[in-house]
Amino acid sequence: GQSLEQPSEVTAVEGAIVQINCTYQTSGFYGLSWYQQHDGGAPTFLSYNALDGLEETGRFSSFLSRSDSYGYLLLQELQMKDSASYFCAVLDSNYQLIWGAGTKLIIKP
Amino acid sequence: DSGVTQTPKHLITATGQRVTLRCSPRSGDLSVYWYQQSLDQGLQFLIQYYNGEERAKGNILERFSAQQFPDLHSELNLSSLELGDSALYFCASSGSGTENSPLHFGNGTRLTVT
Repeated sequence: GQSLEQPSEVTAVEGAIVQINCTYQTSGFYGLSWYQQHDGGAPTFLSYNALDGLEETGRFSSFLSRSDSYGYLLLQELQMKDSASYFCAVLDSNYQLIWGAGTKLIIKP
Repeated sequence: DSGVTQTPKHLITATGQRVTLRCSPRSGDLSVYWYQQSLDQGLQFLIQYYNGEERAKGNILERFSAQQFPDLHSELNLSSLELGDSALYFCASSGSGTENSPLHFGNGTRLTVT
């Protein structure tokens, strides 16, 4: 079966750096996406990696290693507003998005 | 604002009833997706339409059905409602429905079945 594994919860301190990991096992792979969802809100697209390496967008970066079936989302200079759930999702060989269960990021002052 | 409009925002109904959720995709987007999210759970993919045709089906119950109309808006019909159907239902749209087109989500319809 297809699966994505990510931690259910991560806690960090305001101003710090946090990494949210995602490992996947899917039938085919076109790319890894990350979405952010605040409580009760709509998921919003953060990033997409199709090739190995690091993609940086402001305070957020996303990394992919296809040989390890692994990726991560790196959040720097954490702010309280970054408290949210973060979902990884893989685009499989049928161009379908397979979603992880989400990681709740708790930020403490 | 994602450009995806979902109505209604909230819906409270009784078990056994039938409801219709509506979604207008972002202008120009051909693909519409429906997701169910129960409290503190992940996103469960229900169904995808592309330019009026069903493209993919996820864990959608037989009591649920959907369609996409010629103007590209979509409706999700939920019938014989059960307490367990209480959830946030999201609609998302994307440009092509393939490759790396990011999904743009609406604000969801919160369904409460009593």
